Amino acid sequence: GENVEQHPSTLSVQEGDSAVIKCTYSDSASNYFPWYKQELGKRPQLIIDIRSNVGEKKDQRIAVTLNKTAKHFSLHITETQPEDSAVYFCAANFGNEKLTFGTGTRLTIIP
Amino acid sequence: GAVVSQHPSRVICKSGTSVKIECRSLDFQATTMFWYRQFPKKSLMLMATSNEGSKATYEQGVEKDKFLINHASLTLSTLTVTSAHPEDSSFYICSARGLAGDEQYFGPGTRLTVT
Repeated sequence: GENVEQHPSTLSVQEGDSAVIKCTYSDSASNYFPWYKQELGKRPQLIIDIRSNVGEKKDQRIAVTLNKTAKHFSLHITETQPEDSAVYFCAANFGNEKLTFGTGTRLTIIP
Repeated sequence: GAVVSQHPSRVICKSGTSVKIECRSLDFQATTMFWYRQFPKKSLMLMATSNEGSKATYEQGVEKDKFLINHASLTLSTLTVTSAHPEDSSFYICSARGLAGDEQYFGPGTRLTVT
């Protein structure tokens, strides 16, 4: 089936600490896993993605890891800053076309 | 690159009227566009997948006669909410995917309020 679970639903971390958000997916055929950041009232913005042929990808303070065997992937944000506060959505592709999104994580960075 | 626009950003209409929302890819050709609906503090729910020149594919539970989708060119898709009712009030967001890969780029969304 098409199911993506995301945890936690809310996360508060002190500025400068790391934040980790985890997702699991159901379809073993999924091969594309993007992460989106959405600020209040704004569009979701693609911040990083990973394909199934790699286990980890990093872009400055953001990294994503993928475990295909366990069907889970995680977003890691290091040295968090107040502007990282937003809702983050993971997603996985199904049928090589559409994306199914997780339920979102509201991340709050405490100054 | 990969800019998607959406118009209008906000619309208020009366029950029973129809509203058209446009989604445009500005700097790339979008073979596929997607329409999502998002309720407050909720995730994005896919309504339909739109391919240029063919009929849209609707997700289960989405009424195709109520949410009319047209994808007439590689840069434009439209969603028409017909005979709108207050329960149709929501944030509607489109996304576009280009020829090159899997990435979807989102429009800024349209907040529809039906009174």
